[in-house]
Amino acid sequence: NAGVTQTPKFRILKIGQSMTLQCTQDMNHNYMYWYRQDPGMGLKLIYYSVGAGITDKGEVPNGYNVSRSTTEDFPLRLELAAPSQTSVYFCASSLGAGQRNTEAFFGQGTRLTVV
Amino acid sequence: EDQVTQSPEALRLQEGESSSLNCSYTVSGLRGLFWYRQDPGKGPEFLFTLYSAGEEKEKERLKATLTKKESFLHITAPKPEDSATYLCAVRRGRDDKIIFGKGTRLHILP
Repeated sequence: NAGVTQTPKFRILKIGQSMTLQCTQDMNHNYMYWYRQDPGMGLKLIYYSVGAGITDKGEVPNGYNVSRSTTEDFPLRLELAAPSQTSVYFCASSLGAGQRNTEAFFGQGTRLTVV
Repeated sequence: EDQVTQSPEALRLQEGESSSLNCSYTVSGLRGLFWYRQDPGKGPEFLFTLYSAGEEKEKERLKATLTKKESFLHITAPKPEDSATYLCAVRRGRDDKIIFGKGTRLHILP
């Protein structure tokens, strides 16, 4: 089991460019999440999904888009990169809340710099 | 407003000096409280899940406890390798979102 895999690990974008952060999990989890973490801060929820075809906004969704066409994949799209999107992005997955073990498991992160 | 507050923000301890980290929460319909460890440049690593007041979990030098308003992470006789940021999070019942606190940076001096 690889768990949660994120690519790329590092990326530098110019203002106005677009990119997609990839996230895939092999644990057959139905829930998936995208968080961003700024220095000295906790994790802020961007978007989450409770299953294929279902997504919902988190605390900081502006400037981002997501899709969930399969159980395994949950890509995060930045359409017009801005310096405020410089951050470390983490993808996570978990079982649904109706089950006993509902903790989320995280990938290793994507460090994004917008210049 | 639902929120998770961790204290202290940072803590420096001598090796062997036991202490506790606090996580207080206000959330509608708690469906689990989670503790994670995060090392620099890495993703959060899962430690414990607690579901109901009075529940306790232990792992090596760490013990997590839960009341109706807060959770404690007790560290007994810590070692330098316990140095990390410890994050607390809750799953909210009405929409299943997982909300994180800002974390406590723990530094254990040899």
